[in-house]
Amino acid sequence: QQQVKQSPQSLIVQKGGISIINCAYENTAFDYFPWYQQFPGKGPALLIAIRPDVSEKKEGRFTISFNKSAKQFSLHIMDSQPGDSATYFCAASWNQKVTFGIGTKLQVIP
Amino acid sequence: GAVVSQHPSWVICKSGTSVKIECRSLDFQATTMFWYRQFPKQSLMLMATSNEGSKATYEQGVEKDKFLINHASLTLSTLTVTSAHPEDSSFYICSALGGRALTYEQYFGPGTRLTVT
Repeated sequence: QQQVKQSPQSLIVQKGGISIINCAYENTAFDYFPWYQQFPGKGPALLIAIRPDVSEKKEGRFTISFNKSAKQFSLHIMDSQPGDSATYFCAASWNQKVTFGIGTKLQVIP
Repeated sequence: GAVVSQHPSWVICKSGTSVKIECRSLDFQATTMFWYRQFPKQSLMLMATSNEGSKATYEQGVEKDKFLINHASLTLSTLTVTSAHPEDSSFYICSALGGRALTYEQYFGPGTRLTVT
């Protein structure tokens, strides 16, 4: 059972454009929603995270939008750069355990 | 801060042998560490939760006798893949829970690529 659904699985964006990745969850017990960035051959790195009592969080070019009633959250990457090309995982956490989405491979083309 | 290291970064072993992977929290103490495996182009799947001084908790479907976990100190957890077979070839990643109470931050290691021939 896929508890965290992520889409799209791949995304190509022009440099300077906005990258949008969407996730949905089922378990209402989840109380922490991090996003991770992973480069090939490396472990994931925490990018930004949000708790369900907040509808939006922004850090630099990265913004999480959170809709608790719809059980959906999304990552927006503004002014996307080639260096942002990586795989992005949304995740949901409860009781210290993290459940990952399937991942989105983002390619930012010049 | 919050750096997690893994050793080795890659290892090749023969079928039937055992291999140990170390996970260290370098600048914080971690009472809880997690072990994941990741197949190519797939997501991370939690294998087990490692708590310092106690037995690890394994996820459903993970053989605890095959994947031995030891968390002997607040900065070190080890995963031993026993009697490895080619299907155990994967990318193994550990994470450590940040040192403060009530934190949900997991800090990930760089991963270990295991190839079983």
